[in-house]
Amino acid sequence: AQSVTQPDIHITVSEGASLELRCNYSYGATPYLFWYVQSPGQGLQLLLKYFSGDTLVQGIKGFEAEFKRSQSSFNLRKPSVHWSDAAEYFCAVEVNRDDKIIFGKGTRLHILP
Amino acid sequence: NAGVTQTPKFQVLKTGQSMTLQCAQDMNHNSMYWYRQDPGMGLRLIYYSASEGTTDKGEVPNGYNVSRLNKREFSLRLESAAPSQTSVYFCASSWTSGGANEQFFGPGTRLTVL
Repeated sequence: AQSVTQPDIHITVSEGASLELRCNYSYGATPYLFWYVQSPGQGLQLLLKYFSGDTLVQGIKGFEAEFKRSQSSFNLRKPSVHWSDAAEYFCAVEVNRDDKIIFGKGTRLHILP
Repeated sequence: NAGVTQTPKFQVLKTGQSMTLQCAQDMNHNSMYWYRQDPGMGLRLIYYSASEGTTDKGEVPNGYNVSRLNKREFSLRLESAAPSQTSVYFCASSWTSGGANEQFFGPGTRLTVL
């Protein structure tokens, strides 16, 4: 069965430090890939998505993600985090081209001042 | 544009009671979705509607029913609430089916079943 794995439940980084959140998927072909962010008490907001072409994708709020087919990964990165980036981040995949997406369990990001 | 709106924001039910969660979008989207979010579980799809007049089950449909009232509105009904349905419920919408479309989420309904 298709699945999405976010191995880190919590990550803590200092403000200004770089960030990488990991995501691996299990699927035979290349799925559509997404990263969403959820601020406390809010709904989810799309950061970026990949469906074809350049494997390095730029998103909003200074985030980027790189699709690596050989590793079945789609890791999210940011060169320098801000306190406002504290939130929960969800990786998601769409495998059947039908807009039904499978979410990972999420990674909660904490920022140290 | 209000985007995706959900009512109510909070609700407490007793076991066995029924209720309907309302969702509306003003973006002229064709597809709409209901998810539940539980700690450590991410979001799980309950039901979705690819277009007006159609609905289909997601990953966790048991205990729920849905109605796609018109293009704008998609409601979720709990006929006989159980404590296991305590969760945060999110409605979402997207332009169409066919892949790689951004889903827009409402602010959520926090439901507690006693």
